[in-house]
Amino acid sequence: DAGVTQSPTHLIKTRGQHVTLRCSPISGHKSVSWYQQVLGQGPQFIFQYYEKEERGRGNFPDRFSARQFPNYSSELNVNALLLGDSALYLCSSSPARYGEQYFGPGTRLTVT
Amino acid sequence: DQQVKQNSPSLSVQEGRISILNCDYTNSMFDYFLWYKKYPAEGPTFLISISSIKDKNEDGRFTVFLNKSAKHLSLHIVPSQPGDSAVYFCAASITGNQFYFGTGTSLTVIP
Repeated sequence: DAGVTQSPTHLIKTRGQHVTLRCSPISGHKSVSWYQQVLGQGPQFIFQYYEKEERGRGNFPDRFSARQFPNYSSELNVNALLLGDSALYLCSSSPARYGEQYFGPGTRLTVT
Repeated sequence: DQQVKQNSPSLSVQEGRISILNCDYTNSMFDYFLWYKKYPAEGPTFLISISSIKDKNEDGRFTVFLNKSAKHLSLHIVPSQPGDSAVYFCAASITGNQFYFGTGTSLTVIP
């Protein structure tokens, strides 16, 4: 079975631009979460979606938004990019709303 | 505010010996804990979990110990192998929903 997939793998954007990151969960998994990992830190929780509804939100500004589609894939959107948004963005999926998370390889976003 | 802390950024161990990775947390509401391993250019890989109703969970060479009174958990790897060289993250949550991660410990197993 395929694991969690994310696209694109790398992305370079300019300050002020908008970015959309995509994630496909493991087949059968209904929960998708997004994490931001900056260099030297652990992943930091951004959002969780379960059954297409937002179930949790971390301490991130409103410039960050997400949604989950009927096939349980998900998009993370970031508006008005700042240099500090440069990070590895990880998507994870889980079969249920609670429990261990299975991570994708991440999208490396660089904001210049 | 770092609720999960891994105070050792790095650890080196001889092949065949025990690796002990430590993690401390501050939120007494955390009731579900996980350990992940991460190789460069890959996402974290789930290793082992433990619920707060247990104090030990074992899976092959990996054992996680939880000391709730000390708000401390540890991951033991026995015997350590060169392929175990990676960054290890501990994570904690309330009811297994939103996870708080530590900053990671880089383990090097020396052949």
